[in-house]
Amino acid sequence: DTGVSQDPRHKITKRGQNVTFRCDPISEHNRLYWYRQTLGQGPEFLTYFQNEAQLEKSRLLSDRFSAERPKGSFSTLEIQRTEQGDSAMYLCASSPRAQVYEQYFGPGTRLTVT
Amino acid sequence: AQSVTQLGSHVSVSEGALVLLRCNYSSSVPPYLFWYVQYPNQGLQLLLKYTSAATLVKGINGFEAEFKKSETSFHLTKPSAHMSDAAEYFCAVSGVGAQKLVFGQGTRLTINP
Repeated sequence: DTGVSQDPRHKITKRGQNVTFRCDPISEHNRLYWYRQTLGQGPEFLTYFQNEAQLEKSRLLSDRFSAERPKGSFSTLEIQRTEQGDSAMYLCASSPRAQVYEQYFGPGTRLTVT
Repeated sequence: AQSVTQLGSHVSVSEGALVLLRCNYSSSVPPYLFWYVQYPNQGLQLLLKYTSAATLVKGINGFEAEFKKSETSFHLTKPSAHMSDAAEYFCAVSGVGAQKLVFGQGTRLTINP
């Protein structure tokens, strides 16, 4: 049983560049979540999908951020025109279905914007 | 609205001593509560969960937590600390109708030999 995987694990980019991260959830988990974690803080919710439908977005998700889950399996998170304040760990999590509230996290993608 | 407060950003105990990490929550719906552990440069691993069954919940690695509704608390304990317990610990809350987890700011646990 493989867990949640994320790619890349680390990304260094220059301010103004676009970046895209990928998350592969646990097989048959229909719910997928994105969180952002800055140094010394707990994760903060960004958005979540049930199958391919994006059902909730946080106000943290500015218009420079977009997330997709086109076939209800893997998901991508894109950040356009990156800013230094975007530097953080981006965590993906999945859960199997409604009424199962625990979430299973991937190892994260650490983004550094220089 | 839901929120979590973890008292103490840093806790230090001796190896073999009791570990107590404090978590208080606020929730407008019956809460589901979780403790996660995070090792450096890794994701979060679920330690244990409370989902309205038994109020004393046992998790992995010898940890347990007790849900106390009257105190709105869900403190994490372990009778005897081990060096491998050194990590960051996060308390989180969710609830019926809520899809996201709301996390506390975390408590860094240091184990002294």
